[in-house]
Amino acid sequence: GAVVSQHPSWVICKSGTSVKIECRSLDFQATTMFWYRQFPKQSLMLMATSNEGSKATYEQGVEKDKFLINHASLTLSTLTVTSAHPEDSSFYICSAQRTSDPDTQYFGPGTRLTVL
Amino acid sequence: QQPVQSPQAVILREGEDAVINCSSSKALYSVHWYRQKHGEAPVFLMILLKGGEQKGHEKISASFNEKKQQSSLYLTASQLSYSGTYFCGTERKRGSQGNLIFGKGTKLSVKP
Repeated sequence: GAVVSQHPSWVICKSGTSVKIECRSLDFQATTMFWYRQFPKQSLMLMATSNEGSKATYEQGVEKDKFLINHASLTLSTLTVTSAHPEDSSFYICSAQRTSDPDTQYFGPGTRLTVL
Repeated sequence: QQPVQSPQAVILREGEDAVINCSSSKALYSVHWYRQKHGEAPVFLMILLKGGEQKGHEKISASFNEKKQQSSLYLTASQLSYSGTYFCGTERKRGSQGNLIFGKGTKLSVKP
């Protein structure tokens, strides 16, 4: 089956620092990747859609200057949380849409971000 | 536009059945079902596309009633491993970049 990895799996950082999270599709090409955020006991909320070679599309209410997304290749998308604050602490999950099968999304294992 | 899931939570004894519903106020292209264990990413269960589709894998099946804009997930003879939160994700049209809008989830607890 399709495998999506995220790195790191967890990170603790100080307020004001930037954190980069990587999302990789290991055995397939993904023209499109999605970034979700999940607060405890809540549903996943789509943050942005990342398309290889173009600018990401952000959902309403998501600050694009704070959550920088780069999709440099067909297997890698990165989310950088800039100047992180405690309210940015959350579980960040990416998903990848296989170029050859756009009906199915494959989720990464998630990254737990804690900002002190 | 967030789909509505019901019930919010359910507790079962091992071997019992459960139904989880997912309703939308808008016409849907597809419905996806995921199960999430605590602290882990969601795991894909199945996708249903328009057309009254039904699907199943082992003792978990689902149906999609496009007229009612509703999907139901059926868990038969539940096992302890079925415990988790079940999310439905809805897609309004193909080409909407495939992004999903998730319901709030249904927490399923299966007890021995």
